[in-house]
Amino acid sequence: QQQVKQSPQSLIVQKGGISIINCAYENTAFDYFPWYQQFPGKGPALLIAIRPDVSEKKEGRFTISFNKSAKQFSLHIMDSQPGDSATYFCAASRTSGSRLTFGEGTQLTVNP
Amino acid sequence: DSGVTQTPKHLITATGQRVTLRCSPRSGDLSVYWYQQSLDQGLQFLIQYYNGEERAKGNILERFSAQQFPDLHSELNLSSLELGDSALYFCASSFGPGPMNTEAFFGQGTRLTVV
Repeated sequence: QQQVKQSPQSLIVQKGGISIINCAYENTAFDYFPWYQQFPGKGPALLIAIRPDVSEKKEGRFTISFNKSAKQFSLHIMDSQPGDSATYFCAASRTSGSRLTFGEGTQLTVNP
Repeated sequence: DSGVTQTPKHLITATGQRVTLRCSPRSGDLSVYWYQQSLDQGLQFLIQYYNGEERAKGNILERFSAQQFPDLHSELNLSSLELGDSALYFCASSFGPGPMNTEAFFGQGTRLTVV
């Protein structure tokens, strides 16, 4: 019940395209859903986060869509750039102050 | 720069040995979390400390232990090391838990190689 499933495992997108990464969770007690971006040799960096009281949150080119009934959420990267090439992790926790359960990660490559 | 400092950045040691990883949280943060990142297991939560007390425990092996000191820095001790313990170990910090909490910010990690 603590799992977070993420797909796809890898994604290749052309510059200017839309990158979409999906996650599904099981534990209905989760109420905080962040996305982290990780570059090689670096720690995960918080990108954007959402709580289940809203269905969408947008910050610049990054948008989280949240479907509470389906227990799914997704990250959309608009106008993808080569600099966005990284590994993206979705995560979930009961509050923003407790342990994070991570998805398996998606390696995004944006071709120039 | 997340403000979370981890040392050392790299560590190479032999099987059976013991190592200590150190983490200094962001200024003002009271919670410290330890995560292990390996190729086949992804990012796995190990343990959380809040203001010096253990708050939550994940799939942390009995050979591993941690503590948080009065100055809020934390140490993760790994003993009787095995080849399978080779991984990236991340520390993260946040203010909470609680209503005034902030998101968790990660350090750069310690890459442990057991040979």
